[in-house]
Amino acid sequence: AQSVTQLGSHVSVSEGALVLLRCNYSSSVPPYLFWYVQYPNQGLQLLLKYTSAATLVKGINGFEAEFKKSETSFHLTKPSAHMSDAAEYFCAVGKPRGNTPLVFGKGTRLSVIA
Amino acid sequence: EAGVTQFPSHSVIEKGQTVTLRCDPISGHDNLYWYRRVMGKEIKFLLHFVKESKQDESGMPNNRFLAERTGGTYSTLKVQPAELEDSGVYFCASSQGEAFTEETQYFGPGTRLLVL
Repeated sequence: AQSVTQLGSHVSVSEGALVLLRCNYSSSVPPYLFWYVQYPNQGLQLLLKYTSAATLVKGINGFEAEFKKSETSFHLTKPSAHMSDAAEYFCAVGKPRGNTPLVFGKGTRLSVIA
Repeated sequence: EAGVTQFPSHSVIEKGQTVTLRCDPISGHDNLYWYRRVMGKEIKFLLHFVKESKQDESGMPNNRFLAERTGGTYSTLKVQPAELEDSGVYFCASSQGEAFTEETQYFGPGTRLLVL
């Protein structure tokens, strides 16, 4: 079985500050891990994914995440927040077999304060 | 290239009525998924098509939900009769490729269903 826990349903940061969104996972098989972002009135957009290659994954819009097996974590970071980063972020876990359903966390809403 | 599209974007119906949601995947994508997010909760898997066949429908909540994928192209999800707890956002996603390959799932904008 797989599960995802996202700590903090709402995170607020100042513009230019570090963004850190936390994700911990549980998986009985080596996981594939994903971060998706949902901007208002839009669908889910893939930010980045970990598929057992490099543990530090770089995504779009300056985001990156590091897979830490010992901590079962896949936290999302961005050095400097921009107003346009305000959105809801979802961490998800999948299986390495591919083309299998994703298991999502509850999401974290990021607010960026000017 | 067009992304995953869903229709309608919003639907408000009364309890006991029927609603049909439609999803058009990215052209050429064999895999099509339905997910649902009930307010305040996580996005949950409903079912997975590979072409026109149901690969996994373990997430379907009950027999009031019926999904079809005609000719392996678009898919419909019918809720009949709708209940209050069916309210939420229904997402469709598609991915290319066969099993044992890692493929990204591309999501549509969702259909927001409200049952009164």
